[in-house]
Amino acid sequence: AAGVIQSPRHLIKEKRETATLKCYPIPRHDTVYWYQQGPGQDPQFLISFYEKMQSDKGSIPDRFSAQQFSDYHSELNMSSLELGDSALYFCASSLDPGREETQYFGPGTRLLVL
Amino acid sequence: SQQGEEDPQALSIQEGENATMNCSYKTSINNLQWYRQNSGRGLVHLILIRSNEREKHSGRLRVTLDTSKKSSSLLITASRAADTASYFCATDAGGAQKLVFGQGTRLTINP
Repeated sequence: AAGVIQSPRHLIKEKRETATLKCYPIPRHDTVYWYQQGPGQDPQFLISFYEKMQSDKGSIPDRFSAQQFSDYHSELNMSSLELGDSALYFCASSLDPGREETQYFGPGTRLLVL
Repeated sequence: SQQGEEDPQALSIQEGENATMNCSYKTSINNLQWYRQNSGRGLVHLILIRSNEREKHSGRLRVTLDTSKKSSSLLITASRAADTASYFCATDAGGAQKLVFGQGTRLTINP
């Protein structure tokens, strides 16, 4: 079965650079979530989109922005990168949360900021 | 974690034994989910239990939910080396779309 696809899988950036992470949800899933997992930490919710509209917002820095496109893929844009942004970034997708609560996670993008 | 804590933080057992992990949460929930994460990899969904359910089974997994105590447990029976991973519980924190994760239990199965 098709799963959530994330790209790139690994990314190395310098401080103050920008990064764009991409997420392709499972076909027919219309809701996308972004999570950040620091080393040895539990995943923390950043932001979610349902039908291309932002549906919920968590602890996402102002330096980060995200959007969901007409084909339901999503991009997380990160600017002015800091050392503390080094983490594993997960995208998850689900059907309309009103119908299906299970979130299916992608393999993650490992971002290292030097 | 802002929502819950998992107990124990680390568990090491022999292959074939049963492993029990506990999770507590703070707010009311509609459902609670358990995920597995192999080292540095993605989160694999294991099981979802709704707030009106008390117990659920899936293969070698058994999950219980006690909403009066705001706690859940995950039991893995007849453990295998491949079960070595971190296990997280996650709640919808009262109906929000986002998942709120516990701190995770790092399970090691010794052959």
